[in-house]
Amino acid sequence: DIQMTQSPSSLSASVGDRVTITCRASHSISSFLNWYQQKPGRAPKLLIYAASTLESGVPARFSGSGSGTHFTLTISSLQPEDFATYYCQQTYTTVTFGGGTRVDI
Amino acid sequence: QVHLVESGGGLVKPGGSLRLSCVASGFTFSDYYMTWVRQAPGKGLEWLSYISNTAVTIYYADSVKGRFTISRDNAKNSLYLDIDSLRAEDTAVYYCARRVAIRGSFDYWGQGTLVTVSS
Repeated sequence: DIQMTQSPSSLSASVGDRVTITCRASHSISSFLNWYQQKPGRAPKLLIYAASTLESGVPARFSGSGSGTHFTLTISSLQPEDFATYYCQQTYTTVTFGGGTRVDI
Repeated sequence: QVHLVESGGGLVKPGGSLRLSCVASGFTFSDYYMTWVRQAPGKGLEWLSYISNTAVTIYYADSVKGRFTISRDNAKNSLYLDIDSLRAEDTAVYYCARRVAIRGSFDYWGQGTLVTVSS
């Protein structure tokens, strides 16, 4: 099974900050990596698929990069509505989620 | 627009069984793979299973293989998850989601249904 490790598990940031979240796969997953945002009490929302492609309607301040085993999600200028938990997900072999990164103030 | 609505959750005693349902609308259900994901209280997301559009291909997470059964009825635009031998650790919100072909991302999710396993 492929394990997905996110870091950090939580971070504190301010509005306007640049935030980077890292996701590492235990084996190469090419670019079969997706990112989700989840707010409390809500279902997850797809932000980025195929490592770097922005889902329709997602603000351009979100970006993703990486391939193989190392991936990053970057929020270029954190907005109040971005405080949430972010998950990476590999779909190279079945499905595995990372443990999540909580972004709070 | 795309809508996924789960139902069937509730309070169940350990050892019991449950069927969760997910009704889809706003897209051609029979064209898409569908999936179930759960989230225990205060925990992360756990993928459970997915089923191909024709139900020919089915995968389960190792953690639920043998106790969970995914199925679908394309005529009713419905996805199901049967859970047997429920345990306290199955307590979670269960989400259904639509799986995008090729890349496998989950582009639409339901609001979730809460299953609580307790005596």
